[in-house]
Amino acid sequence: SQELEQSPQSLIVQEGKNLTINCTSSKTLYGLYWYKQKYGEGLIFLMMLQKGGEEKSHEKITAKLDEKKQQSSLHITASQPSHAGIYLCGADGGQAGTALIFGKGTTLSVSS
Amino acid sequence: DADVTQTPRNRITKTGKRIMLECSQTKGHDRMYWYRQDPGLGLRLIYYSFDVKDINKGEISDGYSVSRQAQAKFSLSLESAIPNQTALYFCAIGDPNQNEQFFGPGTRLTVL
Repeated sequence: SQELEQSPQSLIVQEGKNLTINCTSSKTLYGLYWYKQKYGEGLIFLMMLQKGGEEKSHEKITAKLDEKKQQSSLHITASQPSHAGIYLCGADGGQAGTALIFGKGTTLSVSS
Repeated sequence: DADVTQTPRNRITKTGKRIMLECSQTKGHDRMYWYRQDPGLGLRLIYYSFDVKDINKGEISDGYSVSRQAQAKFSLSLESAIPNQTALYFCAIGDPNQNEQFFGPGTRLTVL
C-alpha cells in the first residue's frame, strides 16, 4: 500500500522567513493534494497537483510535484502568523476522486 | 452555507453507547468518505461510498458501520462505542471530474 512521509514533522520559523515542507511517496504519485488544518479544526484545501513538474500557487504558498522523486514540496514565502497550523499532503493512488492516503502532517509554528 | 456539514460537532458519550455521526453536502458529488484523525497517526479512512448503492470498507472499518441515505447524506455509526474510538472524525466529498476533495469541519468524539 502507498505511504506518504512528510518532513519535517514540526517546524518553528520566525515571521518573515521562508520555509519548505516535503511529502515523499512510496509509490508513483498521480494526484497530490495539500491541505492546511488549524488545530482541532477542519481541513482547508490548498491545491492539487497532477502532472510532473506542475507548480501551483495559493497566495504566498507554492507547491511543486517532482514525478521522478515521487515527491511534492510546499514552499511558504515570508511566513506570517496566519500560516501556522498543520499541513497535510494526500495522494489519490491513481484515480482522482478516490479516497486519499495522508501523510502524518507537518506542524508549523510562526513566531513574531 | 458550507459545502459539507457534520453533526454533531462535539459529542461525549460512554462506553457501550450507540452513536451516529451525520454528514450532508450541497455540492452534488457522488463520492463521500469518512476519516478519523488521531494525534501522530494522521487521517485514516473508515468507509467510503461512490454512490447511494455503493459502500466500501476502508483501512479501519472494524467497530463502525455507515449508511448512505441519499446522494447528499452519509452517516457513520458506532454500534457500541469504546474509548479508543475517541478521535476527530471527518466527512469528505469528492468529484473525479474536478479533482477536488472537500472536508467537513469535523466531529470531536470522546468516549469515556
